[in-house]
Amino acid sequence: GQQVQQSPASLVLQEGENAELQCNFSTSLNSMQWFYQRPGGSLVSLFYNPSGTKHSGRLTSTTVIKERRSSLHISSSQTTDSGTYLCALDPSNTNKVVFGTGTRLQVLP
Amino acid sequence: EAAVTQSPRNKVAVTGGKVTLSCNQTNNHNNMYWYRQDTGHGLRLIHYSYGAGSTEKGDIPDGYKASRPSQENFSLILELATPSQTSVYFCASGQANTEVFFGKGTRLTVV
Repeated sequence: GQQVQQSPASLVLQEGENAELQCNFSTSLNSMQWFYQRPGGSLVSLFYNPSGTKHSGRLTSTTVIKERRSSLHISSSQTTDSGTYLCALDPSNTNKVVFGTGTRLQVLP
Repeated sequence: EAAVTQSPRNKVAVTGGKVTLSCNQTNNHNNMYWYRQDTGHGLRLIHYSYGAGSTEKGDIPDGYKASRPSQENFSLILELATPSQTSVYFCASGQANTEVFFGKGTRLTVV
């Protein structure tokens, strides 16, 4: 079955609003990483966060292992935040890295 | 800065032809990965490797082979390319329990 589920699949915001993106997983894991991708673009790593909370500017990532979830919070969204956000994890004892299907974010001016 | 370089960046191939996508990393990482990305499917793992000489099947290996001749290089081989293999392919490298680094992608069109 699907090991990594992201929600919502898509999201439309007005500039200045906040967003909470979720990544739920069905296995224990070795690593968790969040990526950003523009249409047709390459993958930009936002956070490597296997547990706990990390901050970077307007972005915050929180991973709670026992609840098998990770979230990405975007505060005061900007039009340049538009794109797809992907979570990826390495399930324990596999050394594979598997991706969720992503959240497509559109921020309107 | 970790570096993963893919070549070519764009490729047009004919159905039935052989295609080789190359990936080089200068990170001295043990693990390397090949993914394809298609609308509606996200990134799907094709093959991966734990080190030179090893290749492992990912989630969608059919129609693809992989080769890891050295720590730095990992190739994806389409022996008989088909139009269904038209996609964007990403290579990545990483170590266990650490961040994964991606190349910029290869856009493959099979006509």
